[in-house]
Order: sequence, then structure tokens, then C-alpha cells
Amino acid sequence: GNSVTQMEGPVTLSEEAFLTINCTYTATGYPSLFWYVQYPGEGLQLLLKATKADDKGSNKGFEATYRKETTSFHLEKGSVQVSDSAVYFCALSDQVAGKSTFGDGTTLTVKP
Amino acid sequence: KAGVTQTPRYLIKTRGQQVTLSCSPISGHRSVSWYQQTPGQGLQFLFEYFSETQRNKGNFPGRFSGRQFSNSRSEMNVSTLELGDSALYLCASSNAGGAKNIQYFGAGTRLSVL
Repeated sequence: GNSVTQMEGPVTLSEEAFLTINCTYTATGYPSLFWYVQYPGEGLQLLLKATKADDKGSNKGFEATYRKETTSFHLEKGSVQVSDSAVYFCALSDQVAGKSTFGDGTTLTVKP
Repeated sequence: KAGVTQTPRYLIKTRGQQVTLSCSPISGHRSVSWYQQTPGQGLQFLFEYFSETQRNKGNFPGRFSGRQFSNSRSEMNVSTLELGDSALYLCASSNAGGAKNIQYFGAGTRLSVL
């Protein structure tokens, strides 16, 4: 079946540091790929998406490129802020309708 | 446009009881999916409903069931609660539930089983 592997956390950075969270996937077909963010006590918010190979998703300074050849979708941000502290989930849309497969999540803490 | 609304936000139950959780999708969305989130297992797919029909189901026991109404609102029921059912239950809605459709999540219902 499909699977998503995220880099193990937690990740702690200083404000304005560069962020990379690695994500690789295994899937049949051509899934869409997503990054979601979860703040404490809240549900998941869609951060960005890419629907086909070489697409780049971007939002709020975050970026990720759909790399079919390396089956990866790494999340990057050039300069993190304290407000970016949250749990980040990489996910793919399954061939099973209405189902997404998620990575384990990476907790990011940004210190002032 | 209102987002996905889940009620209640918090629930405390005891073992053996049953519980019903509610989810109102984004207006116009016909697909509703349910997930269980726990620290140990992460996010696991429970089931998905589309136009009042369950289309897909994850690997959960029959104690977990759901339904969808004609207005696309969905309920999830867990009977004979066990301690291990303590989790954040998330509902997600999408336009048609296909592979290219984005899922939008509610804030979740946190269930504690004592």
C-alpha cells in the first residue's frame, strides 16, 4: 500500500533559520501531495499542495516540489518565525476515494 | 464560507459506553472522511462517505460506524468504548473525494475514555 515517510523530529531552530523537513513517499499511480500544519489543539490546515510531477506548491513562504524521480516532497522555508512552531504532516491522496495517507508528523519549534 | 464544523470539541466517557460525533462539511462538499489521530499510531483513516453511502473503510473494528445524511452532514459512532479509543477524531470534507481533491479538516473532537 501507499506510505509516507517524514524525517524524524522534533526540529528546533532559531528565528530566521532555514527549514527543511524531508518527505518521501511510496505510491501506486500518480497521487497528489500535500503538506498540512497542525497547531496545538487544532485540526489540520492545508499548507500547500502539488498535483503532478515537477509542480511546486507554495504558501506563506513555504515551498515544496513534487519530485517523481526521487519520490520526494521536501518542505522548505527560507526564514522561519516563532509563529511557525507547529506539527507538519506530509500526505498523499490515496487511490482509495476520500482517503489520504499521512506521515508521522514533524514537530517544529522555533526559538526567538 | 464556513469551514468544517465538528461537535462536540471534547468528550469524556467511560469504558463500555457509546459515543456519537458529528461533522458538518463545507457547504457544497459531498465527501466526508473520518480519521483517528493518536500519538502512537498517527493519523489513521476510518471511513469515507459520499452521497449518503460509505465508499471506503479503514482497518477498524465494527464498533466504529458512521452515516451521512442527505445534507452531507455525517456522524460517527463508537460503541462499547475501550481505553484505546481515546484519541482526536478528525473529520475532513472535499468536493468529490477523488484522488485530486483537497481535504479540508475540522478542529476535531477529543475523546477521552476513562
